[in-house]
Amino acid sequence: NAGVTQTPKFQVLKTGQSMTLQCAQDMNHNSMYWYRQDPGMGLRLIYYSASEGTTDKGEVPNGYNVSRLNKREFSLRLESAAPSQTSVYFCASSLYRPPYNEQFFGPGTRLTVL
Amino acid sequence: EDQVTQSPEALRLQEGESSSLNCSYTVSGLRGLFWYRQDPGKGPEFLFTLYSAGEEKEKERLKATLTKKESFLHITAPKPEDSATYLCAVQETSGSRLTFGEGTQLTVNP
Repeated sequence: NAGVTQTPKFQVLKTGQSMTLQCAQDMNHNSMYWYRQDPGMGLRLIYYSASEGTTDKGEVPNGYNVSRLNKREFSLRLESAAPSQTSVYFCASSLYRPPYNEQFFGPGTRLTVL
Repeated sequence: EDQVTQSPEALRLQEGESSSLNCSYTVSGLRGLFWYRQDPGKGPEFLFTLYSAGEEKEKERLKATLTKKESFLHITAPKPEDSATYLCAVQETSGSRLTFGEGTQLTVNP
């Protein structure tokens, strides 16, 4: 099992450009999540999908959109990138069936917006 | 609103010098408290889940404990390979979301 995979690993954008971050999991998990991690801020939830066909806003959703394409894949889109979106982005998944609630993380995408 | 505070922010230990990391939390109803390890340039790696006060879990040199207000991660006789950032997170009974603390950066010197 590959676990949670993310593409790309690194990306540099100019202000105003758009891009989509891809995430896939092969653990048959129900729930998927997108986080951003910034120095001094910890991991903050952007959007999540509790189950296939549903998405909900997290703590910092402004400037982002998501798509739960199927049970395996959950993408994050930046429509018009801004320097404030420079961050490391992590995708995670969980079975979310008590007691198995732990989330498993991908390796991250390091995004720089100039 | 859920809150998670970790202390200290950074901790330097000598190899073999045992210590503890603290995670204080405020949540309306606790479904679970999670500990993760994060190495530089990598995603967080799951370590433990604790569900109720008094619960303890162990893995190699790590032992996690839980009370109604805080959790401790005890590190016994650490080795340099234990150097990492340790993250604590809480999950409410009402949903699947996690709220993370900012982490404790642990450095173990040989």
